Amino acid sequence: DQQVKQNSPSLSVQEGRISILNCDYTNSMFDYFLWYKKYPAEGPTFLISISSIKDKNEDGRFTVFLNKSAKHLSLHIVPSQPGDSAVYFCALRRGGSEKLVFGKGTKLTVNP
Amino acid sequence: GAVVSQHPSWVICKSGTSVKIECRSLDFQATTMFWYRQFPKQSLMLMATSNEGSKATYEQGVEKDKFLINHASLTLSTLTVTSAHPEDSSFYICSASGLAGAGTDTQYFGPGTRLTVL
Repeated sequence: DQQVKQNSPSLSVQEGRISILNCDYTNSMFDYFLWYKKYPAEGPTFLISISSIKDKNEDGRFTVFLNKSAKHLSLHIVPSQPGDSAVYFCALRRGGSEKLVFGKGTKLTVNP
Repeated sequence: GAVVSQHPSWVICKSGTSVKIECRSLDFQATTMFWYRQFPKQSLMLMATSNEGSKATYEQGVEKDKFLINHASLTLSTLTVTSAHPEDSSFYICSASGLAGAGTDTQYFGPGTRLTVL
C-alpha cells in the first residue's frame, strides 16, 4: 500500500508560468515533508522542506504548502525556468527517524 | 555542500555473479548511510540503513543474505548483490547523513548505480 502518492507522472509548463506539483499521503504520523529534484543519471538533490507545524515555506522561486487535514502538500515554482525540468519527488519522514518515504515522482518539463 | 559518490555508475553482469557497489561521502563523515532501489517509473524504495561499525537494518522484504551491506568507516559503505539475477536489475542509490548542523534535509544522495543482470 503506497503511503505517498504523486498522481501526476508528468507535467508540462511554459517558461515563466507557475508549476504546481502535488503530493498526497495517507499516514498522519509524518512530521517532515521534503521535495527533491532529480536530473537523469544523478541522485536526488534536496530542494525545500516543511515541518508539520507550518503550512507554508518559501525559498526564492520555490514554495511548499502543507494541508495537514487533507494530507496534501504541493510545490509551487514561479516563474518556471527550462532548467527546472527534472523529476520531482516528495519525501516524508517521521520525527526522530531519518527514514524517508518517497513518492513515485513527477516529471516536470518547462518549455522555452 | 556535502558530496556523495558512487562507484561504479553502471555495471552489467552475468546471472549468478556478485556485484559490489561503493558509496562514499567525500567531504563529511557519514554516521548513517542508506541504500535505496528504484525500478522504472517507481519511487525510491529504502532497502536498508547502515550505521558505521554496526550491522545494517533491513526493510521488510529485503533479503539480508542477498544484499550484503558493509559500513566499515565513516566515509564508505558497500552494497554487494550476491548471486545476482535479472530481477535484481535496477537503479541503486545510496545516501548519507551525519553533516553537523544539518536540519531536516540531512540526507545527501549519490548519483546512483545502474545494475543490469543478463
